[in-house]
Amino acid sequence: GEDVEQSLFLSVREGDSSVINCTYTDSSSTYLYWYKQEPGAGLQLLTYIFSNMDMKQDQRLTVLLNKKDKHLSLRIADTQTGDSAIYFCAQGSGGYQKVTFGTGTKLQVIP
Amino acid sequence: EAGVTQSPTHLIKTRGQQATLRCSPISGHTSVYWYQQALGLGLQFLLWYDEGEERNRGNFPPRFSGRQFPNYSSELNVNALELEDSALYLCASSLAGQINQPQHFGDGTRLSIL
Repeated sequence: GEDVEQSLFLSVREGDSSVINCTYTDSSSTYLYWYKQEPGAGLQLLTYIFSNMDMKQDQRLTVLLNKKDKHLSLRIADTQTGDSAIYFCAQGSGGYQKVTFGTGTKLQVIP
Repeated sequence: EAGVTQSPTHLIKTRGQQATLRCSPISGHTSVYWYQQALGLGLQFLLWYDEGEERNRGNFPPRFSGRQFPNYSSELNVNALELEDSALYLCASSLAGQINQPQHFGDGTRLSIL
């Protein structure tokens, strides 16, 4: 079955880079997503990567995919206090839109 | 472009009552998804509707049900409410139920059962 795992918590200093990691189990995954959830809000789509890609960069965000190890990471450069939130990794698989979410990583940015 | 909208923002009910939550998808989106996010837990998939039909269902009892209207808006109904139903209920929409269309979320309805 599909399973997505993330560490629960990450603390970084403002200005440093943050790296949030995720592992997934379904080798048939075609798309992998990163969402951000701020307190009291829904999930905001940050970026997504197709499984035949190794890397995707979007401004301060860099997504790296190691398909062999089924490992996905999100790097946030120059982390700001506004980046404090819960970050969810998700995998899409199957012949239709079945998306499985990880448990989320809470990022705390220390000023 | 207006995002996914959900109503009400908060809903307080007592055990045994029924709750109705509403969702309007992004204009042009035909697929609507419902998730439950209980405190301390991740997102649990509830239901997926596309073109008015229920396409998939998560591991929830039958008292969780819903429907999608011709304008693609959707309703989630929870009958015989139990204390453990207290959670944030999130609705998401996408262009179509295909793998390359990411889901866009609303801000959720916070359901509290007293």
